Amino acid sequence: DVKVTQSSRYLVKRTGEKVFLECVQDMDHENMFWYRQDPGLGLRLIYFSYDVKMKEKGDIPEGYSVSREKKERFSLILESASTNQTSMYLCASSLGRGAFFGQGTRLTVV
Amino acid sequence: SQELEQSPQSLIVQEGKNLTINCTSSKTLYGLYWYKQKYGEGLIFLMMLQKGGEEKSHEKITAKLDEKKQQSSLHITASQPSHAGIYLCGADRHTGNQFYFGTGTSLTVIP
Repeated sequence: DVKVTQSSRYLVKRTGEKVFLECVQDMDHENMFWYRQDPGLGLRLIYFSYDVKMKEKGDIPEGYSVSREKKERFSLILESASTNQTSMYLCASSLGRGAFFGQGTRLTVV
Repeated sequence: SQELEQSPQSLIVQEGKNLTINCTSSKTLYGLYWYKQKYGEGLIFLMMLQKGGEEKSHEKITAKLDEKKQQSSLHITASQPSHAGIYLCGADRHTGNQFYFGTGTSLTVIP
């Protein structure tokens, strides 16, 4: 079975902090994704990567950056966290058909 | 961009009842996925449908993709409290290896 692991289930950070969300997959998938999920808005794509060191902006990249130095790891970075980035963050990986998700990280910015 | 409309947005049923959740697209679907999400957790992959008329079942959950490949339904037979959660449909985008998702259907099963 595909396993996608996010480093934290819950995080509380202060406004202005730099925040790293880590995601690791164990199935050698080329594609990895970061989404945020908010009530009434569903899942929105922040960034995705289709290869090591490659990244593409999704629908809402503002305020975020990503890093993919190794195939199995895709990191989401909040350069300066703000309260409107309080959300559920979901990482996913894919070979091209369907996506497999991690357990999610509930981030609260205070 | 392609949008997926799910209905209903929320559903409350008594244990043992059958229910159906729909996912409708304005464009032809080339890959349709159903996920279940327990509250506060990640998405669990349930089923993938690709061919028009295709139907798949897993335990008491059956998903169908209509012939025109623009609508999918998820049917739960004899619902149980363990079925409670948010059900989301997702579809392949035509360009790039990305996916669209519906906004989800929240299911509550009352014992």
